[in-house]
Amino acid sequence: AQSVAQPEDQVNVAEGNPLTVKCTYSVSGNPYLFWYVQYPNRGLQFLLKYITGDNLVKGSYGFEAEFNKSQTSFHLKKPSALVSDSALYFCAVRDSDTGRRALTFGSGTRLQVQP
Amino acid sequence: DAGVIQSPRHEVTEMGQEVTLRCKPISGHNSLFWYRQTMMRGLELLIYFNNNVPIDDSGMPEDRFSAKMPNASFSTLKIQPSEPRDSAVYFCASSFRDRVETQYFGPGTRLLVL
Repeated sequence: AQSVAQPEDQVNVAEGNPLTVKCTYSVSGNPYLFWYVQYPNRGLQFLLKYITGDNLVKGSYGFEAEFNKSQTSFHLKKPSALVSDSALYFCAVRDSDTGRRALTFGSGTRLQVQP
Repeated sequence: DAGVIQSPRHEVTEMGQEVTLRCKPISGHNSLFWYRQTMMRGLELLIYFNNNVPIDDSGMPEDRFSAKMPNASFSTLKIQPSEPRDSAVYFCASSFRDRVETQYFGPGTRLLVL
């Protein structure tokens, strides 16, 4: 079985400061990992993904995420937060070694960036 | 590229009525997913199709829910009869079945069953 944990319901950060949104995962095989962002009354937008290779993945809007196999983590980061980054962020995982193509999502973390 | 298109965007209905949600995937994508989002349960996969064939419907709540994909450019999710506990946002997502299969989501249908 595959699962994702986002331990923080909400993260607050001041504009211009670095931000981190945490994600840990569990799969039996090798993971494919994703981050999505959801703005109010909108669908989920794809931010970035980890497949294999470089542990630091760069995505849209200046976001990046670091894959850490030993800690089974895939934390989302941004060096300097913007007020417009305020949204709901979802981490998702798929086990690349199974035939099941569906993603398992975390519960989401609300990011609030204060001006 | 138009992205994934869903209709209606909002639906209000009374308990016992039939509800049909519609989805048009991104052209060229051959996998389609239906998700439901609620405050209590988060994002749940209901069913997914590959090449118009249902592959995994283990997330479909009960027999009141059914989904079809008659062709590569159209899918429906039907609830009959609807109940207040079905109130949620329903998302459709599509992907191209390569090794990774990044999913792209539609804007969702917000359903309220009174």
